[in-house]
Parts: sequence; C-alpha cells; structure tokens
Amino acid sequence: QITLKESGPTLVKPTQTLTLTCTFSGFSLTTSGVGVGWIRQPPGKALEWLALIYWDDDKRFSPSLRSRLTVTKDTSKNQVVLTMTNMDPVDTATYYCAAYSSNWYGFDFWGQGTLVTVSS
Amino acid sequence: QSVLTQPPSASETPGQRVTISCSGSNSNIGRNTVNWYLQLPGTAPKLLIYSNIQRPSGVPDRFSGSKSGTSASLAISGLHSEDEAEYYCAAWDDSLNGPVFGTGTKVTVL
Repeated sequence: QITLKESGPTLVKPTQTLTLTCTFSGFSLTTSGVGVGWIRQPPGKALEWLALIYWDDDKRFSPSLRSRLTVTKDTSKNQVVLTMTNMDPVDTATYYCAAYSSNWYGFDFWGQGTLVTVSS
Repeated sequence: QSVLTQPPSASETPGQRVTISCSGSNSNIGRNTVNWYLQLPGTAPKLLIYSNIQRPSGVPDRFSGSKSGTSASLAISGLHSEDEAEYYCAAWDDSLNGPVFGTGTKVTVL
C-alpha cells in the first residue's frame, strides 16, 4: 500500500522560508522511473505544480517559482523535503506531495495535503 | 498559472452523460499523454485516467478519456450523485519541462 504524508508548519510569516517534508511508504525513490512531486492549491483555486525529484536525483521546478524552491530526498528515511523561500500571503495554499511515474508521466498517489497560511 | 483550459462547470441529471473538455497546445497535449484527476470536496486529488484512456484499478468504466490533437476529453456516463466533484486534466509540457494542470471543472449532479 502506497501512502504519502506532508508535514510542516501551518503558519509562516511573510519573508520566512517554508520547509515541508513528505514521508512516504510502499515504494522506493531508488526505483528507476519513480519520482516525488509537490503540488499546491490556493483556497478555491486550481492545482499548481511546484517541483519534482526523480530516483536519479534529477530535479525539475516550475519556471515561475524556480528561484525560490529547493527539493531534496533522503532515501534512507523515505522522505522528500521542499523548501520555499521568501513566503508571501499569495503562497497560502494546501501543499500536496505525490508519487510520480515516469512510465506515464503523472502522479498516481497523493498525500492528504497540508494547509499553509502565510500571515504576519 | 494553468496552461490547460477547462470549462469552469458542467452539470447533468443522474444517469445521464457529461463530457469535460481540456484544451492545450503542441507543447503539452499535442505531444504527450493526458491524465485526469478527481477531487472530492475537502480531499486530495485522485488519479482517474492516465495515458489518455487508461483507468487505474478500481475506477469504474463509467469514466472514459480520449484525446485528439491538442485537446482531450473526459466522459462520465451513468452519472451518480457521488460524481459531484472537481475534475482536473494534466499533461507534461515540453516547454516548461514539467507537468501542467488544467483550470478545473466542477461537475454538479442536478
């Protein structure tokens, strides 16, 4: 059974750095073709892809947010960490991590999401 | 910044068929396969269709996908009240070098 769960602060102040951890089970991030992605969803709005890290440590980022994002993996802990710098109230959203398959270029399992509010 | 365009809403009565469109471009749908996700209120998205037409295990065959050129469609036949949800299309975009999502369509069962 594949599960993913996001963890991190629920409230951050403007200009602060957000650090979110995705802890997963049921698959390995050392398996060829596997990745973990981050997607966010502002309240009442659409899904927005943020970042993707592959089994071979290749990384992809949303061009509009690339300068603010970092993504790393710890395969021994089955974790992926996303950091986003210089947070702003417009970054208030539910942040999801999801398992990605390069076989068909999509996210097949999602975490429950974590709501992050940016406010002073 | 959704790159794929969907109608904001669609509605139909129970038992009927509803179709949702997803319009993209040559850099995404035109060159890559399309996936569809279902998001029930207050929950995380769930994979509904992958590789244009494939259904993951457990997804009823009432749900079907298709693709033509730079557009794709999701059809839901025999509509149930529990199908009320937001539906998103997605595809890899070669220009952005990452996945892109649609604007989302809210399906209402009248």
